[in-house]
Order: sequence, then structure tokens, then C-alpha cells
Amino acid sequence: EDQVTQSPEALRLQEGESSSLNCSYTVSGLRGLFWYRQDPGKGPEFLFTLYSAGEEKEKERLKATLTKKESFLHITAPKPEDSATYLCAVEGGGSEKLVFGKGTKLTVNP
Amino acid sequence: GAVVSQHPSWVICKSGTSVKIECRSLDFQATTMFWYRQFPKQSLMLMATSNEGSKATYEQGVEKDKFLINHASLTLSTLTVTSAHPEDSSFYICSALGQGAYEQYFGPGTRLTVT
Repeated sequence: EDQVTQSPEALRLQEGESSSLNCSYTVSGLRGLFWYRQDPGKGPEFLFTLYSAGEEKEKERLKATLTKKESFLHITAPKPEDSATYLCAVEGGGSEKLVFGKGTKLTVNP
Repeated sequence: GAVVSQHPSWVICKSGTSVKIECRSLDFQATTMFWYRQFPKQSLMLMATSNEGSKATYEQGVEKDKFLINHASLTLSTLTVTSAHPEDSSFYICSALGQGAYEQYFGPGTRLTVT
């Protein structure tokens, strides 16, 4: 059974304080690992797709990396507007279904 | 691109009534749409997968007679919650997958409150 575990559950940072969020996964035949951002009361917003170990993608202050067992979302010099819940999901085994982790709630204080 | 809309954004209904939620892909054709529900401070739980023109596939534990899904076109899927009860109150979110794509794009969600 595909599983996704995210850590930490919650993270508080000061503005400008860089950090990383972790997503550990077990999946048979990874088709893709996805990162989404979700603001309260809204649907998830797509950030990145990673397909194979060693792949990296960047968008503004965010950088996502992938190994065979985990993915990291690095946040460089975060700003208060980066505060949100970050969700990790995997798709594998020939299925189009996503399996989500429980998310990391990030709070960036000014 | 890749915009998905949902309507309504919130709805309040009385126990025993039915509610229909629409999910539309605005700028692409969605061969597959997914319906999720999310309880407070929890992650998304997949309810069902629908492909255009065919019956939806429900996840284990989801009552297909209670949650009716119709995917009549490549841009529209509907979820009808029949005979709603207070325990059906939740945040319902749809997503859409374009042909040949890997990324699901999500709608803004619908907050359902059953009184």
C-alpha cells in the first residue's frame, strides 16, 4: 500500500529563516511525486512534479528535490505570504490516484 | 492555464435534502476528474474517480448511492449528496486531469454544512 509521511506537522519560522519540509514515501512504481500548497478554506495549488530520483525543481523561494525514498521542499528566506499548509502526494502503480500526506503547516512570522 | 472552478463555493442545506456541486475545467479538457473530501485539520481523502462518459469508481467505504457522480462532458463533473445528514458536512474538493497529463489541478472547494 502506498504511503506518504510528512514532517514536521507544523513549522514556525521567522521571516528570512530558511528551512526544509520532508516527505517520505513508499510506493510501487513511482509515476510522480507532487507538491501542493493549500491556504485555509481553499483547494490545493499545484507547485511541482518530480518524476525521478535526483530531479530538482525551483519556483521563487521554493526548491523541491527527490530521492528514492523522500522528497524535500526547501524554503529560502521565507516571507509571511509563504504561510500555508504544504501537501505532498504520490502517484504510482499504474494508477492515476494521488495518495496524500497529512501536510506540514508552515507559519512565517514577520 | 489549468483552471478548475467549483460551484457553489459554500452551501447550507437541511437534513434530508440533496445538494449538487459542479466542477468545471475552464481551459482544458479533463479526461478524468476526482472528488475529495477534507475534514478540519486533515488531509484530502479521495472519494471517487470519474471518467467522461463512464460510471465513477468509488473508494472503499464511500456510499455510491449517497454520493452520485456524473461526468457528462470533458469539462464538467457533478457530485450530488443525496439525503444529506449533518455528518456529511465537510469541505468537498474536485480535481481534474488533462489527457496525457500527470498533474491534477484542484478546484477551490465547496463548504457543505447540513443543519
